[in-house]
Amino acid sequence: DIQMTQSPSTLSASVGDSVTITCRASQSVGSWLAWYQQEPGKGPKLLIYRASTLEGGVPSRFSGTGSGTEFTLTISSLQPDDFATYYCQQYNTYSPEVFGGGTKVEIK
Amino acid sequence: QVQLVQSGAEVKKPGASVKVSCKASGYSFTDYVMHWVRQAPGQRLEWMGWILAGNGDTKYSQKLQDRVTITRDTSATTAYMELSSLTSDDTAVYYCARDHPPRYWGQGTLVIVSS
Repeated sequence: DIQMTQSPSTLSASVGDSVTITCRASQSVGSWLAWYQQEPGKGPKLLIYRASTLEGGVPSRFSGTGSGTEFTLTISSLQPDDFATYYCQQYNTYSPEVFGGGTKVEIK
Repeated sequence: QVQLVQSGAEVKKPGASVKVSCKASGYSFTDYVMHWVRQAPGQRLEWMGWILAGNGDTKYSQKLQDRVTITRDTSATTAYMELSSLTSDDTAVYYCARDHPPRYWGQGTLVIVSS
């Protein structure tokens, strides 16, 4: 199975900071990569799909790049609502749709 | 608007089975895939499988494929996830989610496995 590894597992930042989360796949997933935000006690919210396409209604401070095995999620100018846990997920139909281990973005 | 409403919390004994339902509304049920994803306390999201609501084709996680069954009732616009031979490791919140990748999510169903 494809393994998805996120780093860092925890990230401390302040409002207004720019942060980057990395997701690495153990083999190529093409551009079949999504990013989610999850707040405590809530279900995940889709932010980005196809590695770099912003879901409707998601603020433009979120951006995604990458293809193949290495992907990044960048949040420019962190806002109070952005302190949450972020997950990547590969969704290649021909492979199990694995999630990364998550990155918790905390207030410094 | 798209709504996915899941059944209520369950408490099960080890070795038992659980069946969680996901009632869909606000769209053409048979036009979309439905995923099931779970999250144990403090753990990562874990994809369990999906069903093509139109033709009933399924795909399961290799880890769970011997114990999980996803079905649907098109007349009731409802998807189901049944997990058998429960252990304490199956204690988790279970979500149904539509689209590929999942875009619309149910509210989650807490399943507790305890003797």
